Amino acid sequence: QVQLLQSGAEVKRPGASVKISCKTSEYTFNTFFLHWVRQAPGQGLEYMGIINPTRGSTTYAQQFQGRVSMTRDTSTATVFMELNSLGSDDTAVYYCAKPLWNGDYAFDSWGQGTMVTVSS
Amino acid sequence: EIVLTQSPGTLSLSPGERATLSCRASQTVSSNYLVWYQQKLGQAPRLLIYSSSSRATGIPDRFSGSGSGTDFTLTISRLEPEDFAVYYCQQYGSSSVTFGQGTKVEV
Repeated sequence: QVQLLQSGAEVKRPGASVKISCKTSEYTFNTFFLHWVRQAPGQGLEYMGIINPTRGSTTYAQQFQGRVSMTRDTSTATVFMELNSLGSDDTAVYYCAKPLWNGDYAFDSWGQGTMVTVSS
Repeated sequence: EIVLTQSPGTLSLSPGERATLSCRASQTVSSNYLVWYQQKLGQAPRLLIYSSSSRATGIPDRFSGSGSGTDFTLTISRLEPEDFAVYYCQQYGSSSVTFGQGTKVEV
């Protein structure tokens, strides 16, 4: 069964950066693009972007362009999401997610979520 | 960007009742690209329905999806106690992915 294991909770100051990891297992890493979605406390889901694990190419949602970077380490089958210039409205749970099939955007496996708190 | 509006915001029902959740899009959405998730408190979303009407693996047949164009519906034929949760629709197309704001199904 596909597993996506994310790194632990983070507390950051405004203006700082955060880097979250998502380690994959139980499937071939290059098989699926991986996505990131976030959810502010008590709010809905917000799509952040996608990374191709094979090429490392990325596409980011417009509202995060210039502030987010998604990378991967093929040796450990891990993807990373780094968000810069954090503000209080970046306080959220961040999820990595795998699609049903490559090129699709219906997410059938999710990481457990990483809580990021931005506070002075 | 396509905006998805879900209604109602909250649905108060009892176990055994039928739940009908609506997701309306600001522009036409391909039926292939309309998805429904269930989310319980403190958990990641769970895929229920993809391509508007196909049930994901392991999803009970009391869950069904329908619709096309700009109007989509998730129906739960008979609510079980474990179905009380928040439900989100999602669309993807034109290099854009958006979610509805969610419908809470409560007792």
